[in-house]
Amino acid sequence: DVKVTQSSRYLVKRTGEKVFLECVQDMDHENMFWYRQDPGLGLRLIYFSYDVKMKEKGDIPEGYSVSREKKERFSLILESASTNQTSMYLCASSSGGGGSYEQYFGPGTRLTVT
Amino acid sequence: KQEVTQIPAALSVPEGENLVLNCSFTDSAIYNLQWFRQDPGKGLTSLLLIQSSQREQTSGRLNASLDKSSGRSTLYIAASQPGDSATYLCAVKAGTALIFGKGTTLSVSS
Repeated sequence: DVKVTQSSRYLVKRTGEKVFLECVQDMDHENMFWYRQDPGLGLRLIYFSYDVKMKEKGDIPEGYSVSREKKERFSLILESASTNQTSMYLCASSSGGGGSYEQYFGPGTRLTVT
Repeated sequence: KQEVTQIPAALSVPEGENLVLNCSFTDSAIYNLQWFRQDPGKGLTSLLLIQSSQREQTSGRLNASLDKSSGRSTLYIAASQPGDSATYLCAVKAGTALIFGKGTTLSVSS
């Protein structure tokens, strides 16, 4: 079974702090994704990566950066956390190549910025 | 720009009823469509994946259909149970990432 794990289920941070969210997958997937989910807005793509050290902006990249130094690990970084970044963050992975591959999601990290 | 809509936003049914959840999308140029289940405060669990060349997929009591030309998919749940209560999301894959609908929250009462 594909497994996608996220470093924390719940996280509380203060405004202005630098925040790291980590995601690890164990299926040698090329693609990894970070989404955020908010009530009424649904899931929105922040960033994705299709290879080590490669990244692409999604729909809402402002205020975020990412890092992918190893194939299995994809980190989301909030350089200076703000209250409007309070949200549920979901990581996903999929095989690369053609476009037909299934995405697998982690359990999510509920981040609260106070 | 691809948009995904799910109707209804919420649905309540008694246990044992068969039900249909609807998903529509605006651009038929998709690779696949995925149905997910999400329990409160949890991540997404993939239920069914339909490739663009397929018409339907089945898993247990779930059956998903895809009509690409009309931009529609349905998720049929047979003999619903209280354990089916959750939010159901559909998502289409047109590029590398998924585009999601906002979900249908299903409540099955015993």
